[in-house]
Amino acid sequence: GNSVTQMEGPVTLSEEAFLTINCTYTATGYPSLFWYVQYPGEGLQLLLKATKADDKGSNKGFEATYRKETTSFHLEKGSVQVSDSAVYFCALSSWGAQKLVFGQGTRLTINP
Amino acid sequence: EAGVAQSPRYKIIEKRQSVAFWCNPISGHATLYWYQQILGQGPKLLIQFQNNGVVDDSQLPKDRFSAERLKGVDSTLKIQPAKLEDSAVYLCASSLGDQANEQFFGPGTRLTVL
Repeated sequence: GNSVTQMEGPVTLSEEAFLTINCTYTATGYPSLFWYVQYPGEGLQLLLKATKADDKGSNKGFEATYRKETTSFHLEKGSVQVSDSAVYFCALSSWGAQKLVFGQGTRLTINP
Repeated sequence: EAGVAQSPRYKIIEKRQSVAFWCNPISGHATLYWYQQILGQGPKLLIQFQNNGVVDDSQLPKDRFSAERLKGVDSTLKIQPAKLEDSAVYLCASSLGDQANEQFFGPGTRLTVL
């Protein structure tokens, strides 16, 4: 079945550091890939998405590239801020099956 | 535009009691989802509705969980009787149901079963 594996957390960085959160997936066909973010006390929000191979999703300085050859969708940001502290979830949905399959989440803490 | 509404936000019950959660999706969204998020894990789909019909309930523990979406708008999720392992956050999400499949999530209901 479809599954998503994320880099284990928690991850703690200093402000302005470079961020990478690894995500790999197993799926039949050509899934759409997503990163969701959950800020403290808030609901899940879509951060970015990519729907086909080599697409790059980007938002709020975050980027992720859909790599079919390595079945990966790693999240990156060049310079993190304290306000980026949150839990990040990688997810996929298969073509025709709209449900999201999530990874376990990575808690990110940014220290000033 | 109003987001997905859920109530209550928090609920504490004893095992073997019953509980119900309510969700009001974004207006015009045909597809509604209920997810269960256990602490330290990612959300897991329990049930998916398209309008008022069930599309996927393969991971819903049907001996104790039930859900309905009357008139294709609001939805309720019920647990009867609750077990300790049902302690989790229950998330409702909605989407237009198109292939873009952007899902919008409510704030969730945190259930504690004692």
